[in-house]
Amino acid sequence: KAGVTQTPRYLIKTRGQQVTLSCSPISGHRSVSWYQQTPGQGLQFLFEYFSETQRNKGNFPGRFSGRQFSNSRSEMNVSTLELGDSALYLCASSLEGTGHNEQFFGPGTRLTVL
Amino acid sequence: QQPVQSPQAVILREGEDAVINCSSSKALYSVHWYRQKHGEAPVFLMILLKGGEQKGHEKISASFNEKKQQSSLYLTASQLSYSGTYFCGTSRGQGYNDMRFGAGTRLTVKP
Repeated sequence: KAGVTQTPRYLIKTRGQQVTLSCSPISGHRSVSWYQQTPGQGLQFLFEYFSETQRNKGNFPGRFSGRQFSNSRSEMNVSTLELGDSALYLCASSLEGTGHNEQFFGPGTRLTVL
Repeated sequence: QQPVQSPQAVILREGEDAVINCSSSKALYSVHWYRQKHGEAPVFLMILLKGGEQKGHEKISASFNEKKQQSSLYLTASQLSYSGTYFCGTSRGQGYNDMRFGAGTRLTVKP
């Protein structure tokens, strides 16, 4: 079974631009979560999608948004990029997203904002 | 709220044991443990559920004290491959998948 895939793997943007990251979950998994990982803040929960609906949201500004498609693929968008948005963005999929299923992480997208 | 992990870092020799702790100020429904090696994605190790059910890695054990809102991960007879950063994660409750992770414990196993 193929793992979680994320595209692109690396991205360089400048302040003020916007960016869209993509995540394809493991086949059959309906829940997709997004995380931001930085050396200073660790793994921070952004949001979780299940059946095309955002079920849970972390403490990030509205510049961070996402969506999920009917095939469970998910995208995350960051508008008006700031230097502090430079991070590794990880998505993780799980079967049902009930809190007692393991999450499978993708390799991440490394975003650098200049 | 994020769980609190301790210690922040630990250095071991091969064959030694280590314990990593995870505590929360809120009642826990489940505790997840993941390991992340440098430059790689986190990998699932174990889930401990309220009520005592465990799912996960055969060679790694963990405990879950619901009353104390704590979990501990036990790494025995450590191997070089155990090196990495260990994260515990908790969610609000049953049916919620808003995983909050601790800051991580960096484990280094030396020959």
